[in-house]
Amino acid sequence: AQSVTQLDSHVSVSEGTPVLLRCNYSSSYSPSLFWYVQHPNKGLQLLLKYTSAATLVKGINGFEAEFKKSETSFHLTKPSAHMSDAAEYFCVVSATGGGNKLTFGTGTQLKVEL
Amino acid sequence: DGGITQSPKYLFRKEGQNVTLSCEQNLNHDAMYWYRQDPGQGLRLIYYSQIVNDFQKGDIAEGYSVSREKKESFPLTVTSAQKNPTAFYLCASKSGRRSYEQYFGPGTRLTVT
Repeated sequence: AQSVTQLDSHVSVSEGTPVLLRCNYSSSYSPSLFWYVQHPNKGLQLLLKYTSAATLVKGINGFEAEFKKSETSFHLTKPSAHMSDAAEYFCVVSATGGGNKLTFGTGTQLKVEL
Repeated sequence: DGGITQSPKYLFRKEGQNVTLSCEQNLNHDAMYWYRQDPGQGLRLIYYSQIVNDFQKGDIAEGYSVSREKKESFPLTVTSAQKNPTAFYLCASKSGRRSYEQYFGPGTRLTVT
């Protein structure tokens, strides 16, 4: 079994300040972890993925995430928020023993203010 | 351009009518997926297909049906048996069993009144 918990349903930051979106996972197998971004009424776009290589993963648009097995976490960060980062972000887990099925978190809505 | 297309973007139907949502991909991907998205609930898997002429139920398959007659196409029918069909529907695909990354289409927003 696998599950994902996104600890904040809404996060608000000022433009130019750091972004932290928190994600904890649970998996019976070695997990692969992803962050996807969704702008309003659009499909999902992959930001970054962890698949058992380097624990610090860099993605598109300046985002990165660190896989911490001891904490079962995969938090998403960005040093400086931009207005265009305002969107909904989903943390996703997939396990090799689970038929590669993706399990999605409930999403974090990021608001960026001037 | 390679990608996944879903049509139409917005769809309106009366209660009791079946409706079919289109999903086409030209990425030569083997696997295709249908998800339903409701506010505050993330995405939930409806059906998936790993090869042509084969598909499996996901977590919330009741009231839905699919077919996979061609590699490029994976249409979803929302039947009148689906109790709460109004939602945003997303189609995705991935290249094979060893791949984890799914590519998503732009979605179809279905409203049933």
